[in-house]
Amino acid sequence: SQKIEQNSEALNIQEGKTATLTCNYTNYSPAYLQWYRQDPGRGPVFLLLIRENEKEKRKERLKVTFDTTLKQSLFHITASQPADSATYLCALNNAGNMLTFGGGTRLMVKP
Amino acid sequence: GAVVSQHPSRVICKSGTSVKIECRSLDFQATTMFWYRQFPKQSLMLMATSNEGSKATYEQGVEKDKFLINHASLTLSTLTVTSAHPEDSSFYICSAAHLSGGAYEQYFGPGTRLTVT
Repeated sequence: SQKIEQNSEALNIQEGKTATLTCNYTNYSPAYLQWYRQDPGRGPVFLLLIRENEKEKRKERLKVTFDTTLKQSLFHITASQPADSATYLCALNNAGNMLTFGGGTRLMVKP
Repeated sequence: GAVVSQHPSRVICKSGTSVKIECRSLDFQATTMFWYRQFPKQSLMLMATSNEGSKATYEQGVEKDKFLINHASLTLSTLTVTSAHPEDSSFYICSAAHLSGGAYEQYFGPGTRLTVT
């Protein structure tokens, strides 16, 4: 069966450190993968999209990698700040413009 | 750019009444919009795909007669929860697909908190 797995346990890190979140998937062959941020009681906010032929993409303090052999994406936030605390969702395009979301990982950055 | 609005942000209604939620793409045209439902501390659950000018496609287990979707224009989709019951209380979020560089990015509205009493 198809699965998108993100660590359901919260990730607690110290301010200034690099946060690394993992997204693993099985039985998908996505053309691209997306990462979103969601704050409590709010809709998800689009962060980055990475295509299957891209190994890495960066945007300011964010970096995403995409390994189609391992079927894994890593999401990094460098120099993390308390304001980065949120739930981060990965999503795969399943067919056309539809997305299927992972369960999300909550990140807590402590000052 | 790529902003999606949703209205209302919160609504409380009585059991048996109907509630309409609007989703608008403000600065782009979206032939496809999506409606999700989210329970506390859970991920997004896709309810239906709304295509402009045609009938919505519902996910398995979602009652199309209860959750009426209308996508009358390229910037507006509406979700009507008919004969609402307390178990329909949830956080409803829409998104609009925006084509960028050959890939579809989804931009989400801020969500609507529905409480049925």
